[in-house]
Amino acid sequence: DTEVTQTPKHLVMGMTNKKSLKCEQHMGHRAMYWYKQKAKKPPELMFVYSYEKLSINESVPSRFSPECPNSSLLNLHLHALQPEDSALYLCASSQGPVGASNTGELFFGEGSRLTVL
Amino acid sequence: QKEVEQNSGPLSVPEGAIASLNCTYSDRVSQSFFWYRQYSGKSPELIMSIYSNGDKEDGRFTAQLNKASQYVSLLIRDSQPSDSATYLCAVNGYGQNFVFGPGTRLSVLP
Repeated sequence: DTEVTQTPKHLVMGMTNKKSLKCEQHMGHRAMYWYKQKAKKPPELMFVYSYEKLSINESVPSRFSPECPNSSLLNLHLHALQPEDSALYLCASSQGPVGASNTGELFFGEGSRLTVL
Repeated sequence: QKEVEQNSGPLSVPEGAIASLNCTYSDRVSQSFFWYRQYSGKSPELIMSIYSNGDKEDGRFTAQLNKASQYVSLLIRDSQPSDSATYLCAVNGYGQNFVFGPGTRLSVLP
């Protein structure tokens, strides 16, 4: 079973709201990722957790705050977002951790479509 | 800077034809290569992975890897309208993160 589940599928929020995106995988994968994808562009890496520790932050603004409560869960807390942050937010996981010679395949969830008004 | 390049397309092929999608990468230490299919408004779906030089076949899909030329391709035989999507090439290796190409839009015409 290669499944990464994300909730909610759609989210509309105002610029002063606080919301969270959630992601869960039960494949025993050691690395979990947040990507942002704008229309007609490839996924853009935001954060990577490896063994539940933040290993990569691609200079993402602090209004995005990741959290990895355990090896199966990954959250993205959103606060004071801007309209330009509207995008598809993708969670993904891979078997191998960051730094391994082969991280294996990357599996994506269905994504959370975020609209910031 | 590590780069993955693809022809953005659109690549249009008639139904039943072979669609050929190409990808080049800049980092010679890359070890793992992936093709994802992404329908409009949906998330990327892994369709092929390849790690060794040569061809790998899975149903109507064949991935080809040439590390000396830093080139990976995807062939889709007997193309169907349902294959119309954006195809993303991704590269990874030795602790590096997945690097995605810009994607090639494929349109299969009935």
